[in-house]
Amino acid sequence: EDKVVQSPLSLVVHEGDTVTLNCSYEVTNFRSLLWYKQEKKAPTFLFMLTSSGIEKKSGRLSSILDKKELFSILNITATQTGDSAIYLCAAPPLSGAQKLVFGQGTRLTINP
Amino acid sequence: DSGVTQTPKHLITATGQRVTLRCSPRSGDLSVYWYQQSLDQGLQFLIQYYNGEERAKGNILERFSAQQFPDLHSELNLSSLELGDSALYFCASSVGGSGTKETQYFGPGTRLLVL
Repeated sequence: EDKVVQSPLSLVVHEGDTVTLNCSYEVTNFRSLLWYKQEKKAPTFLFMLTSSGIEKKSGRLSSILDKKELFSILNITATQTGDSAIYLCAAPPLSGAQKLVFGQGTRLTINP
Repeated sequence: DSGVTQTPKHLITATGQRVTLRCSPRSGDLSVYWYQQSLDQGLQFLIQYYNGEERAKGNILERFSAQQFPDLHSELNLSSLELGDSALYFCASSVGGSGTKETQYFGPGTRLLVL
């Protein structure tokens, strides 16, 4: 069964801290792994990772994929209260289709 | 703003009723996906349409159906509604849908409450 597991489920830190969110996956015909940020409503796209060892970066956020260990991490440095959200990791498991299997998400709370 | 639009934003209805949720994909996107997000189940894939045809099916109940029209907008029909159908329903779109490495962009969602 295709599976995406995120940890931790919930994380509370102070503004300015650095956080690391984890995502492990077991999907057939792996092609890519995606990270989304969900605040009040719709998930918004952050990164798509397809190659091992290549870091993707966007401002204070960065992510990397390890295809050998079936693992990805999302780093956020110098966190701000606006980073508070649920962070979702997802992978499309089947060839010929784009359905995404989502992890259960990490709820990140940044306290001032 | 992702470019994906969904209507209505909120919907309150009674058990046993039928509702239709509407989604317009981003301009140029051929694939539309429907997801259900409830508190206990997380985000669950329901169904995908690509250029008018069903492409992939997930955890979609038989009481639910969807279609994609020639103008590429999509509708999700939920019938014989039960309390447990209360959830956020998201639509997402992507350019293709044939197994290429693509990003899905999500609409704002429709919050359905069944009383």
